[in-house]
Amino acid sequence: EVQLVQSGAEAKKAGESLKISCQGSGYTFASYWIGWVRQMPGKGLEWMGIIYPRDSDTKYSPSFEGHVTISADKSSNTAYLQWSSLKASDSGIYYCARAAVPGIVNSLNIWGQGTMVAVSS
Amino acid sequence: IQLTQSPSFLSASVGDSITITCRASQGIGSYFAWYQQKPGKAPDLLIYDVSTLQTGVPSRFSGSGSGTEFSLTISGLQPEDFATYYCQQLHLYPLTFGGGTKVEIK
Repeated sequence: EVQLVQSGAEAKKAGESLKISCQGSGYTFASYWIGWVRQMPGKGLEWMGIIYPRDSDTKYSPSFEGHVTISADKSSNTAYLQWSSLKASDSGIYYCARAAVPGIVNSLNIWGQGTMVAVSS
Repeated sequence: IQLTQSPSFLSASVGDSITITCRASQGIGSYFAWYQQKPGKAPDLLIYDVSTLQTGVPSRFSGSGSGTEFSLTISGLQPEDFATYYCQQLHLYPLTFGGGTKVEIK
């Protein structure tokens, strides 16, 4: 079964660092782009960025570039989203999602279960 | 590319047919998708490449459009269709989502 399993909920303080993970299984991890999507409480979906694990090519939304880092480790089939200095406004649910077709991004058909991040000030 | 999704809220009855529209700020190609999200769950892909139904999605869902205007139609709402729907363009980076349409039971 193809699936993405995300790390558990986090409670942090503003200014702290954080790295959450998304482990893929059931497919060739390196061949599919994996993206990250934020959903703030009661709000819509925001696309943050996406990485191609095969060569680590990464695209960011201007809204998030410089504040988060997306990475991937092919040896462990895991994608990561990290912050060096959290803000209270980073609180929300973070989803990873895999592209449907190898090598291109025409849709996101496999989603992780989401990681809730709560940042207190 | 900004996506303006309308309406943001829709009240309908079981059996109704509804259409949700997404307007893009510039012309985009065929990489356009629709997702359904239920409370507390991750989104599910419904339609990709404007009009192709994802495997397992009922045929009452359909997508259409081109250029700057795209739509999702549900023909004959079922109780399990009451959810929030999002459009997404995957034509140009940064990829963007529409603001969402919440479909509630009248």
